[in-house]
Amino acid sequence: KAGVTQTPRYLIKTRGQQVTLSCSPISGHRSVSWYQQTPGQGLQFLFEYFSETQRNKGNFPGRFSGRQFSNSRSEMNVSTLELGDSALYLCASSLAGPGYEQYFGPGTRLTVT
Amino acid sequence: GENVEQHPSTLSVQEGDSAVIKCTYSDSASNYFPWYKQELGKGPQLIIDIRSNVGEKKDQRIAVTLNKTAKHFSLHITETQPEDSAVYFCAACPGTASKLTFGTGTRLQVTL
Repeated sequence: KAGVTQTPRYLIKTRGQQVTLSCSPISGHRSVSWYQQTPGQGLQFLFEYFSETQRNKGNFPGRFSGRQFSNSRSEMNVSTLELGDSALYLCASSLAGPGYEQYFGPGTRLTVT
Repeated sequence: GENVEQHPSTLSVQEGDSAVIKCTYSDSASNYFPWYKQELGKGPQLIIDIRSNVGEKKDQRIAVTLNKTAKHFSLHITETQPEDSAVYFCAACPGTASKLTFGTGTRLQVTL
């Protein structure tokens, strides 16, 4: 079974721009969660989608948004990028949600200059 | 909300020795506790997990124990090998649709 895939793997953007990251979960998994990982803040929860509905959201500004499609693929968008948004963005998929086994993708490394 | 503390932040052991990483959580409603291993340049990999109705779980050289009363859980790795070197994260979750809160990570180095 194929694992979680994330595209692109690396991205360099300029402050003020916007970016869209994509995540394809493991086949059959309906829950997709997004996390931001930085050396200073560690792994922080952004949001979780299940069957196209956002069920939970972390403490991030409204510039961070996401969506999930009917095939369970998910995208997250960050608008008006700031230098502090530079991070590894990780996607995790699960059959039913974070309370079940979650499997992470390799992440997208975003650098904002 | 949930708060997870993890200790130590770094751990160095000799090959063949055991390693123990400890975590405490604050939300008594948390009932799912996974452990992840993250190697350089990769996403976290689920290595073992435990639910609140179980006190201990073992998978080959890895074991996890849970003390619900004290709100702490630990990862035990026996007979460590160089390939065990990585950053390990504990996490806690209060329910299927709730969010996973991670500890700050432990950098484990296994030396020859």
